[in-house]
Amino acid sequence: KNEVEQSPQNLTAQEGEFITINCSYSVGISALHWLQQHPGGGIVSLFMLSSGKKKHGRLIATINIQEKHSSLHITASHPRDSAVYICAVRSGNQFYFGTGTSLTVIP
Amino acid sequence: EAGVAQSPRYKIIEKRQSVAFWCNPISGHATLYWYQQILGQGPKLLIQFQNNGVVDDSQLPKDRFSAERLKGVDSTLKIQPAKLEDSAVYLCASSSLNTPKSSYEQYFGPGTRLTVT
Repeated sequence: KNEVEQSPQNLTAQEGEFITINCSYSVGISALHWLQQHPGGGIVSLFMLSSGKKKHGRLIATINIQEKHSSLHITASHPRDSAVYICAVRSGNQFYFGTGTSLTVIP
Repeated sequence: EAGVAQSPRYKIIEKRQSVAFWCNPISGHATLYWYQQILGQGPKLLIQFQNNGVVDDSQLPKDRFSAERLKGVDSTLKIQPAKLEDSAVYLCASSSLNTPKSSYEQYFGPGTRLTVT
């Protein structure tokens, strides 16, 4: 049983499309992270949320604490957005990670 | 601000050999994490340090893995002896105590890609 589930696992989009990646979790959390991992392994933290919504450029992250669900949206997607997007939650002293969503944006 | 540094970036060893990875966290970050990420999976926490003390090592295979952070700054992770299933990317991350509990931020290093043949 995974504490964090992401969907879809794989996603291919045309450049310019609006993209949504979903994350559901089953534990009580103090924070939820959206991470971006490019080929080669480096991980960059995109957002950290405990409530509501955050926006950074073309990226928007929302969280619904009652429903234990978060979404990451990418507007006007671009090939450079191609990466694996990972949802992670902090629960007490533990971090739980989703298996990631592999996004490919085609020119 | 310099990021989390890890070395080596890549390592290829034969099974039953030993290997060590090094991590230097962001200056001033009290908390350091080692993660194992097997291809196609999300990162799995191996060990968490707060300064030089271990907070959580429940998922560390202690028969072959060890980690230390003697002076509360940089850390080493060792595998001895390595098995084929240890092939993975080993990620180090750090975070600061001086942030509100609800805004816990981790900064990741570039990772070390280990291949065991």
